Formats: sequence, C-alpha cells, structure tokens
Amino acid sequence: DVKVTQSSRYLVKRTGEKVFLECVQDMDHENMFWYRQDPGLGLRLIYFSYDVKMKEKGDIPEGYSVSREKKERFSLILESASTNQTSMYLCASSNWGQDQETQYFGPGTRLLVL
Amino acid sequence: AQSVTQLGSHVSVSEGALVLLRCNYSSSVPPYLFWYVQYPNQGLQLLLKYTTGATLVKGINGFEAEFKKSETSFHLTKPSAHMSDAAEYFCAVDNTGGFKTIFGAGTRLFVKA
Repeated sequence: DVKVTQSSRYLVKRTGEKVFLECVQDMDHENMFWYRQDPGLGLRLIYFSYDVKMKEKGDIPEGYSVSREKKERFSLILESASTNQTSMYLCASSNWGQDQETQYFGPGTRLLVL
Repeated sequence: AQSVTQLGSHVSVSEGALVLLRCNYSSSVPPYLFWYVQYPNQGLQLLLKYTTGATLVKGINGFEAEFKKSETSFHLTKPSAHMSDAAEYFCAVDNTGGFKTIFGAGTRLFVKA
C-alpha cells in the first residue's frame, strides 16, 4: 500500500527557531511536494522536487527552503520561523509516467509558531 | 493560467440525500481535473479524476463527477449521503503534467442524521 509519512503530527516552535519538517515515501516516487493548507485558501504549493537534489519553487516559497538528498526523503526547512507560518503542512509524492498527475499525501504536520 | 473555484465553503445534507459539490475551473489548455477528499486529521486522498475520454467519471465510495467543457464545470455528486462522507472535499486542476496542480479552497461536507 502507498505510504507517505511525516515526522510529526503536531509541532510547537518559537519565533526565530529553525524548523525541520521531514517527509518519507516508500513508493519509489520521483516527484515530491510540500504544500501548506490554510482555511479558505486550500492548498498552496511551496516547493517541489522531481529528482534527488533537484528542486523548484512553487507559488509561495518565501521563508522556506527544501532539501532532497535521497529519493525517498524530502525536507522542508523554515530558516527562522515566524507566526505567519503557523499552518498545516502537507507532503505529497507522485510517480513519473502513467498516472503522474495523481498525488499521494501524508497525514500532515500542524505547526504552531508562538 | 489555471484556477479553480469551489462554490460554498460549507454544505450540509441529511443522511440519504443527494450530495452536490460544485467546482468551476479555468484553464488555457484542456486540463486534468480531480476531486480529493480529506477526512479529519488525515491527508488528502484521490476520490476521482478526469483526464480524457468519457466525461462522466466514477470514483470511490459511490461518488461521481461530470466534466462539462461548455460550462467549465466538474461538479461532484453522490446519490445518497452517508454519515461517513463527512469530510472536506477539494477540487483541483492541472495542465502542467502534475507539477503545479491548483487546488480549490475546499468544501466541508456535513451530514445530518
């Protein structure tokens, strides 16, 4: 069965802290994504990666960076957390080729920045 | 450019009643269209998708959606609501080969006993 896991379900951090959100998929997918989900705004793409060490900016990359050193792992980094980054963060993955438009999501990390 | 509009942030139906969740899209090229569902405290999972071919698409849990190009719509329906259908539903559009899928704001479905 397809599986995307995220390192934490809930996280509380202080303003200015460096925050790491980890995502792991076990489907050997090439593509991985980070979204943030806010009420009334749906999902917004922060970054995506189509291969190891490759990354592309999404619609709202400011204040975030990412790392993909291994195919199965995609990390989202908040260099200096701010209160406006309080949100639900969702990781997803997809495969190249047939059905590459279908994304498989992790359960999400709810981040609170105080 | 592509965009998605979901009409109604909240929809409430009685158990056994018809479910209708509305979605309109815009896309400069023929898009792929999706409905995802998010149950409480879970990530999104694919309900159904339209790529090409038959415009009436059937998904899991008895849901279906019809692609109407002339109306730029992709409304989601289910003939008879069940309590377990209570969730948030997201319509999505993609014309980038899966790299920049655009999601709607979501519609939360409530099902009353």
